[in-house]
Amino acid sequence: QQQVKQSPQSLIVQKGGISIINCAYENTAFDYFPWYQQFPGKGPALLIAIRPDVSEKKEGRFTISFNKSAKQFSLHIMDSQPGDSATYFCAASFTSGTYKYIFGTGTRLKVLA
Amino acid sequence: DAGVIQSPRHEVTEMGQEVTLRCKPISGHNSLFWYRQTMMRGLELLIYFNNNVPIDDSGMPEDRFSAKMPNASFSTLKIQPSEPRDSAVYFCASSLHREVNEQFFGPGTRLTVL
Repeated sequence: QQQVKQSPQSLIVQKGGISIINCAYENTAFDYFPWYQQFPGKGPALLIAIRPDVSEKKEGRFTISFNKSAKQFSLHIMDSQPGDSATYFCAASFTSGTYKYIFGTGTRLKVLA
Repeated sequence: DAGVIQSPRHEVTEMGQEVTLRCKPISGHNSLFWYRQTMMRGLELLIYFNNNVPIDDSGMPEDRFSAKMPNASFSTLKIQPSEPRDSAVYFCASSLHREVNEQFFGPGTRLTVL
């Protein structure tokens, strides 16, 4: 019940294309869903996050779509750029009690120039 | 702010040796997390402290692993004795223990056990 399933494991997209990464969770008590971006040799860094009271959040070229009934959420990267090439992790957390994250397994994105 | 500081950045040791990884969280943060990252298992939470007290150590693989946080500005993760399967990148992260908490990750320590 604590798992977060992420797909695909890896993704190759042409420059200018749309990258889509999907995550699914089981525990309906999760109420905070961040996405982290990790470049080689660096620690993950927060990219964008959403609460389940909204269905979509957009920041620049990055959008989270959230489907509460399906217990799924996804990251869309519009106009993908080579500089977006990184590993992306979704996560789920609680906003009360324990604040630990449950991370997905990661998606390695490569954007071709 | 300097961010989360980890040392050493790289560690190569031989099987059976003791390894100590160090972390300095961001000043003012009261939660600290140790993660292990491998290709096979992704990013795993090992242990989580709040106000220097271990809250959840369910991810610590076995008794060979121990973690301490003697004060708000320092934590260690010790592996004794180390084994080749412990080879991984170990990350420390810190956050404010509150609703909608962003975790700030350090640069990681790449551990290789020969």
